[in-house]
Amino acid sequence: DQQVKQNSPSLSVQEGRISILNCDYTNSMFDYFLWYKKYPAEGPTFLISISSIKDKNEDGRFTVFLNKSAKHLSLHIVPSQPGDSAVYFCAAFTSGTYKYIFGTGTRLKVLA
Amino acid sequence: NAGVMQNPRHLVRRRGQEARLRCSPVKGHSHVYWYRQLPEEGLKFMVYLQKENIIDESGMPKERFSAEFPKEGPSILRIQQVVRGDSAAYFCASSPRIRDQETQYFGPGTRLLVL
Repeated sequence: DQQVKQNSPSLSVQEGRISILNCDYTNSMFDYFLWYKKYPAEGPTFLISISSIKDKNEDGRFTVFLNKSAKHLSLHIVPSQPGDSAVYFCAAFTSGTYKYIFGTGTRLKVLA
Repeated sequence: NAGVMQNPRHLVRRRGQEARLRCSPVKGHSHVYWYRQLPEEGLKFMVYLQKENIIDESGMPKERFSAEFPKEGPSILRIQQVVRGDSAAYFCASSPRIRDQETQYFGPGTRLLVL
């Protein structure tokens, strides 16, 4: 039972354009969401998070949008850079708990 | 200010041997989590520990796997009598304390290969 789903295993985007990575969840108890970036042979690096009381959070080139009614969140990267090429994981959890539930990841390739 | 450290980074074991994976959390962090990532999958929660206490081990197989976080020293994930299916990347994460919403910071992982 995959509670957090990233249905696109891979995505290619031209440098300078927008990258949009999507994530869907099924558990309505989740109220905090995070995006992590992972390079090969390294651990996940925290990127950005959003609480369910918000619908948008922005940090530099990264913006996360949350649509609670659709149980959907997305990560926008603009402009995309070659160094953004990595696997992106979304994660979710419920306040007061500590178990992150991860999606299976989307491999982003930014083409120069 | 060192991040989460894990060693070894790579570990090769033959079936039936023991594997010990170590994790030193960020200085000042007293909460440690272990996750496992199988090929082409996301990270799966295994266990959550505070100093000298296992808080939740619901994600850890009941047999052969154990974890500890002693008062002094790193957290240890121990796998006894390893089998080929244990081959995976094992990630440790830490956080400073539990609030309602606490970001976990991950180490580089230990890649275990069972021959």
